[in-house]
Amino acid sequence: ELKVEQNPLFLSMQEGKNYTIYCNYSTTSDRLYWYRQDPGKSLESLFVLLSNGAVKQEGRLMASLDTKARLSTLHITAAVHDLSATYFCAVKSWTTNAGKSTFGDGTTLTVKP
Amino acid sequence: EAGVAQSPRYKIIEKRQSVAFWCNPISGHATLYWYQQILGQGPKLLIQFQNNGVVDDSQLPKDRFSAERLKGVDSTLKIQPAKLEDSAVYLCASSFTGTGTTDTQYFGPGTRLTVL
Repeated sequence: ELKVEQNPLFLSMQEGKNYTIYCNYSTTSDRLYWYRQDPGKSLESLFVLLSNGAVKQEGRLMASLDTKARLSTLHITAAVHDLSATYFCAVKSWTTNAGKSTFGDGTTLTVKP
Repeated sequence: EAGVAQSPRYKIIEKRQSVAFWCNPISGHATLYWYQQILGQGPKLLIQFQNNGVVDDSQLPKDRFSAERLKGVDSTLKIQPAKLEDSAVYLCASSFTGTGTTDTQYFGPGTRLTVL
């Protein structure tokens, strides 16, 4: 069974600081996704990472994938209040999970002035 | 481009009652997903359709949950009878395909179900 673990689950940080959210998974992956969810809202796709070593950046967020370590990171640079949200990673695996996406439990980020 | 539409947005029912949710995916999206998101957790896939056929329903509690996608467009998810543990947000998502580089999922606003 594919398991996806995120840490930390809660993160409070000051504006202007940098931090990294980690997403570990238990079996081989074919694709890894990062989503953002604002309170009371639905999920918004941020990044899709397709292969080992993939790196994608959008604004202050950068996601990377290490398939050998079964690890993805979401790095936040110089955080601003607007980044406050819950961030989910999801792993899709055809070989071990019939192509379903399994989500982590999310990291709730609060950026304080 | 219109997004994924869901209704109702909120529903409160008593246990053992029935409830149905409706989803209209993005036009042209062949794949439709229903997820259950319990407070404080990530979404869990209940069922995935490719056009009007079921691709995966391994995590759907079939004794009480049912879903259909008529004509490969709109979909309904039904719970009958509801239990307290069914209280959650039910998310519908769609993607152009279920595989390949066009499988990015677009989520609807969700239906928040409270079972009393």
